[in-house]
Amino acid sequence: QSVLTQPPSASGTPGQRVTISCSGRSSDIGSNYVYWYQQLPGTAPKLLIYRNNKRPSGVPDRFSGSKSGTSASLAISGLRSEDEADYYCATWDDSLSGRWVFGGGTKLTVL
Amino acid sequence: QLQLQEWGPGLVKPSETLSLTCTVSGGSFNSSSYYWGWIRQPPGKGLEWVGSAYYSGTTYYNPSLKSRVTISVDTSKNQFSLKVNSVTAADTAVYYCARQYAGVDAVFDYYYMDVWGKGTTVIVSS
Repeated sequence: QSVLTQPPSASGTPGQRVTISCSGRSSDIGSNYVYWYQQLPGTAPKLLIYRNNKRPSGVPDRFSGSKSGTSASLAISGLRSEDEADYYCATWDDSLSGRWVFGGGTKLTVL
Repeated sequence: QLQLQEWGPGLVKPSETLSLTCTVSGGSFNSSSYYWGWIRQPPGKGLEWVGSAYYSGTTYYNPSLKSRVTISVDTSKNQFSLKVNSVTAADTAVYYCARQYAGVDAVFDYYYMDVWGKGTTVIVSS
């Protein structure tokens, strides 16, 4: 069972806006930045959002991140077929001598 | 452009040691701005951080794996390696190596995986 809680699935039609939630605790999301990774089928994860809401160079501004308290969200606007992928949230957990923790992942389907 | 490439045996027998190496090219390995980490993904499942190392040799491990894991760094070869002892079928996974960027701002110390290798599959089976 993952430390961070994500919905297992999400879906939307092209052009729609979808959000994926990530819930944690005071020792992880509540005390650290949140990161989001996109994993296209059969490929390695790719950094999508860092330090809660910043986009690496090359990531479209259709992707945005936010954090409030012990929860975070990833929003994707203007949904496109190529956004169909697994999305993972991640952060550092200050408990147990410290460790990186991931959410269980959300499979996004573009209908 | 920074590239990371994992390599090692794709099949390991139960109770033996899994050994993988990651070669880093196209970027600085001996930089105080980076850690180097291993993350794994069992078939059909999510991501699990295994551990990380600094170029100086300082290491950090997932507490759930700490007793069986060793990460080492070879700065002369721009490589870092992973060893997992006493493997079982539960260690079957795609293993990724990744660069972890480290920084500090007014709010938090932070470091995160920003560049990943393509991954290598390791199957534990007799």
